[in-house]
Amino acid sequence: SQQGEEDPQALSIQEGENATMNCSYKTSINNLQWYRQNSGRGLVHLILIRSNEREKHSGRLRVTLDTSKKSSSLLITASRAADTASYFCATELKAAGNKLTFGGGTRVLVKP
Amino acid sequence: DTEVTQTPKHLVMGMTNKKSLKCEQHMGHRAMYWYKQKAKKPPELMFVYSYEKLSINESVPSRFSPECPNSSLLNLHLHALQPEDSALYLCASSQGPNIETQYFGPGTRLLVL
Repeated sequence: SQQGEEDPQALSIQEGENATMNCSYKTSINNLQWYRQNSGRGLVHLILIRSNEREKHSGRLRVTLDTSKKSSSLLITASRAADTASYFCATELKAAGNKLTFGGGTRVLVKP
Repeated sequence: DTEVTQTPKHLVMGMTNKKSLKCEQHMGHRAMYWYKQKAKKPPELMFVYSYEKLSINESVPSRFSPECPNSSLLNLHLHALQPEDSALYLCASSQGPNIETQYFGPGTRLLVL
C-alpha cells in the first residue's frame, strides 16, 4: 500500500486563486518532499521539509508538516495557468534508507 | 549541467524484442534510480544504484535488467516484456545514497505490443 495518500485527487481553480493539497503518511519519516509533474514528463523537485521542521516557504509555495498527525500540506498561492500539473508528496522513511515512496498525487488544473 | 537525460523518448517493442533504455547525468551524483510510472499513478521505485553498485531491487521481474557502467550512466535492459510493462520509465539521480533531492529525467514512454 502507498505510504502517502493525497487529498484531493483532483483540483480545479481559477488563475489567481490559492490551491491547497494534503498528504498523509503512515510511518516515521526522515523528510517529506513535494514534486511536480507536467503531463507525461519527468518530476521536478519543489521543496523538502525535514521531520523536525514545521513550515517552509519557497516563492509561492508553502509547505507544512505535522508529524503528530503524520500529514503535510502544500499551498500554492496566486496560482497561474503554468501551475497546471500533478503534485506528488514523497516520503523518505526512517527504516528504508535512500528510498522515496510517492503518494497518489493531486491533479491540479488552473483555468485562465 | 543540472540535467538528467534519457533516451529514447519513445519506444515500441514486441514481446520477443531486446531493447535498452539509457540514462545519463553529469552532476557528479553517486546514486541513480529507475522508476516505473503507469498512467495517472505515482512513480514506483524499481532499482537503486549507489556508487555504481545495485543497492535496492524492488522485486522487479528478471525481464528488467539494470546496469550501471560508470557513475554517469545507467541502463535498463529489456527482454521478453509483457504488454502490462507498457509505462513511462523514469530515471533519477541524487548526490548520494542518503539523498535527499532527486533529479528526474523526462522519461522514456514504452509501449509493448
